[in-house]
Amino acid sequence: DIQMTQSPSSLSASVGDRVTITCRASQTINNYLNWYQQKPGKAPKLLIYAASSLQGGVPSRFSGSGSGTDFTLTINSLQPEDFATYYCQQSYSTPYTFGQGTKLEI
Amino acid sequence: QVQLQQWGAGLLKPSETLSLTCAVYGGSFSDSYWSWIRQPPGKGLEWIGEINHRGSTNYNPSLKSRVTISIDTSKNQFSLKLSSVTAADTAVYFCASFPKHLVPRIDIWGQGTMVTVSS
Repeated sequence: DIQMTQSPSSLSASVGDRVTITCRASQTINNYLNWYQQKPGKAPKLLIYAASSLQGGVPSRFSGSGSGTDFTLTINSLQPEDFATYYCQQSYSTPYTFGQGTKLEI
Repeated sequence: QVQLQQWGAGLLKPSETLSLTCAVYGGSFSDSYWSWIRQPPGKGLEWIGEINHRGSTNYNPSLKSRVTISIDTSKNQFSLKLSSVTAADTAVYFCASFPKHLVPRIDIWGQGTMVTVSS
């Protein structure tokens, strides 16, 4: 299985900040990397697919980059609704695996 | 716009079989793979497996011996069965749409079903 490692596991930030979350794959996955946002009691929501493509309807303050094994999710100018848990996921090969999550807190 | 509606028993005893169904509304049933993902309380996400409209399946090897995913194209529904459950199977179970064109990604999620295994 491909292991996905996110850092940090938790992050404190303020409204207006810029934050970056990293995700590392245990082997190369090209750009087969997706990012999801999950709020308590809700299903995850797709933010970024193919490492850097913004899902429709997602604000442009979210961006993704990377290829191979190292990826980043950047959120510019944090808004109150952005405080949530973020997961990366590789879709390069089955079993599709997720990072352990990064909880973004105020 | 595709919507997913899932249902199934929420409380099971150890050794019983978990059974969940997910209905697909809108869109084309043949456009995607249809997946199940679970999330234990307070923990991360685990992909369980997937099926396409032809009935071709892929399972997570960690669960493969206990999992069956099936499809009913006449009803636009797909189902999950997980046998011999234990407390470790307690989780929120999500059905999801997992289109494979370009880079595969989970674009639509069901509302989730909390399944508790307890004697």
